[in-house]
Amino acid sequence: TQLLEQSPQFLSIQEGENLTVYCNSSSVFSSLQWYRQEPGEGPVLLVTVVTGGEVKKLKRLTFQFGDARKDSSLHITAAQPGDTGLYLCAGAGDSNYQLIWGAGTKLIIKP
Amino acid sequence: EAQVTQNPRYLITVTGKKLTVTCSQNMNHEYMSWYRQDPGLGLRQIYYSMNVEVTDKGDVPEGYKVSRKEKRNFPLILESPSPNQTSLYFCASRSRYGNTIYFGEGSWLTVV
Repeated sequence: TQLLEQSPQFLSIQEGENLTVYCNSSSVFSSLQWYRQEPGEGPVLLVTVVTGGEVKKLKRLTFQFGDARKDSSLHITAAQPGDTGLYLCAGAGDSNYQLIWGAGTKLIIKP
Repeated sequence: EAQVTQNPRYLITVTGKKLTVTCSQNMNHEYMSWYRQDPGLGLRQIYYSMNVEVTDKGDVPEGYKVSRKEKRNFPLILESPSPNQTSLYFCASRSRYGNTIYFGEGSWLTVV
């Protein structure tokens, strides 16, 4: 059974600080996605990484896929209150139809 | 506007009273699925469908039924709800060849 462990589960920091969220597994994924979910809404896709070692940037967010395609990280630079939300990672296994989901990281950025 | 619409958004019901949560997507997606989201457990897939008349169990199918008679609709049926089915439910869809999953806004279900 493939599992994705996300850490930390909860993070509360001040505006302007940097942070990193991790998504780890012992399994290899063909691709990995990061979603952000705000209260009262469904998750929204932020990025998909496919190649081992791949780095993608979305403004102040940097996503990295591990060389072995078993782990990924999300780094936020100079966090802002608007970054507050639940961040979820999801890995695609052998079947592209099925995703393995991490439990999520609840991020709070205090003004 | 491309969207996944689910109803009701909020429901309080009693144990054993059958209920249906509807889901409709307007993107002509082949793939639809239902998830439940519980604190600390993340998203767990209940059922999924790869196309009309094709459905399969996800990770937590017990106590739920689904049907896919039309491509756009994928209702979730709780024949005899129990309190442990109190949760936040999401319907989602995706194109067969795309990798972006589109989620509905969620349905808060409380079973007392």
